[in-house]
Amino acid sequence: NAGVTQTPKFQVLKTGQSMTLQCAQDMNHNSMYWYRQDPGMGLRLIYYSASEGTTDKGEVPNGYNVSRLNKREFSLRLESAAPSQTSVYFCASRLSWADNTEAFFGQGTRLTVV
Amino acid sequence: GDSVTQMEGPVTLSEEAFLTINCTYTATGYPSLFWYVQYPGEGLQLLLKATKADDKGSNKGFEATYRKETTSFHLEKGSVQVSDSAVYFCALGNTGGFKTIFGAGTRLFVKA
Repeated sequence: NAGVTQTPKFQVLKTGQSMTLQCAQDMNHNSMYWYRQDPGMGLRLIYYSASEGTTDKGEVPNGYNVSRLNKREFSLRLESAAPSQTSVYFCASRLSWADNTEAFFGQGTRLTVV
Repeated sequence: GDSVTQMEGPVTLSEEAFLTINCTYTATGYPSLFWYVQYPGEGLQLLLKATKADDKGSNKGFEATYRKETTSFHLEKGSVQVSDSAVYFCALGNTGGFKTIFGAGTRLFVKA
């Protein structure tokens, strides 16, 4: 069972470079999410997609863009990376928009911006 | 707005000790409450959940009871093992909303 798959697992970028983090789920889930995890701050929501064809900003969207490519895939793009974006990024999915259902997480992408 | 507060870590225990990690919440409506666990190098995975007041979630020896009167969902385990070393996140989900609110996480170290 693949579940939620994120690529890459590690990435080092120079300030100003761009990159796209990929996420795919094979559970036929409707909702997908991007979080960042920073020491002492837990998980903060960047963007989410309640269903295919929709995306919305979360708590910390500045400097990021997303694309819900189809029901399976939800990508996160950094157009011009900054050191403040050094973090661990997690993609998650949920069966429905109802927030009382379990979220499934990928293994994370550790991004360093120098 | 909705929020989750959990005890700061790290928590260091010896094997077979009793574990409590405190979690309190603020929410409108009738949220569901979750505990997620993150093992080193991995993503979060659901440990247990409770969907209404007085429900008790349990899994792998861990338990938590949804206490509406004290707005709490404390995680407990009677006898921890080295393999329980991880970061534990308390979380809140509100029906009608799209976003789960996570606490800051509590790191647990268990010594042999």
